[in-house]
Amino acid sequence: GQNIDQPTEMTATEGAIVQINCTYQTSGFNGLFWYQQHAGEAPTFLSYNVLDGLEEKGRFSSFLSRSKGYSYLLLKELQMKDSASYLCAVRDSNYQLIWGAGTKLIIKP
Amino acid sequence: DVKVTQSSRYLVKRTGEKVFLECVQDMDHENMFWYRQDPGLGLRLIYFSYDVKMKEKGDIPEGYSVSREKKERFSLILESASTNQTSMYLCASSLWGDGSNQPQHFGDGTRLSIL
Repeated sequence: GQNIDQPTEMTATEGAIVQINCTYQTSGFNGLFWYQQHAGEAPTFLSYNVLDGLEEKGRFSSFLSRSKGYSYLLLKELQMKDSASYLCAVRDSNYQLIWGAGTKLIIKP
Repeated sequence: DVKVTQSSRYLVKRTGEKVFLECVQDMDHENMFWYRQDPGLGLRLIYFSYDVKMKEKGDIPEGYSVSREKKERFSLILESASTNQTSMYLCASSLWGDGSNQPQHFGDGTRLSIL
């Protein structure tokens, strides 16, 4: 079967750096997405990786290793507003998105 | 900015009722999707549509149907609501093309409770 694994919850301190990991086993691979979802709100698109390596976008970076079935989202200079759930999703060989359950990130002052 | 609007944020219905959830997008996207989101589970795809009057089953279509009569509108129908359909329902849309790098854009969700 297809599976996306992420930690359920993480805690970090304001101003620090946090890395949220995602491992996947899917039938085929056509890209990996990261989304942010604040409580009670819509998921919003953060990043997309299809080739190995690091994609940087301001305070957020996303890394992909296709051979290891692994990605991470790196958040720098954490702010209180970064408290949210972070969803990892992989597009499989049928171009359908397979979603992880999400990682709830708690930022403490 | 893409705007995906779901008709209700909160909805309470009774077992056996027919329930309609509406979704409208304003960016002329070809693709539209209905998901449900439950605690501890990833988003699960119910139905999707690549074009007007076209629909495809997702992973959990049982108990649901959809309608896409116009490009901008995608409706989810619970034929006879049951308590296990209590959930958060999310609508999304995306552009066509090769599809690989096109993100899905989501509405704010409808929290549906079936009593």
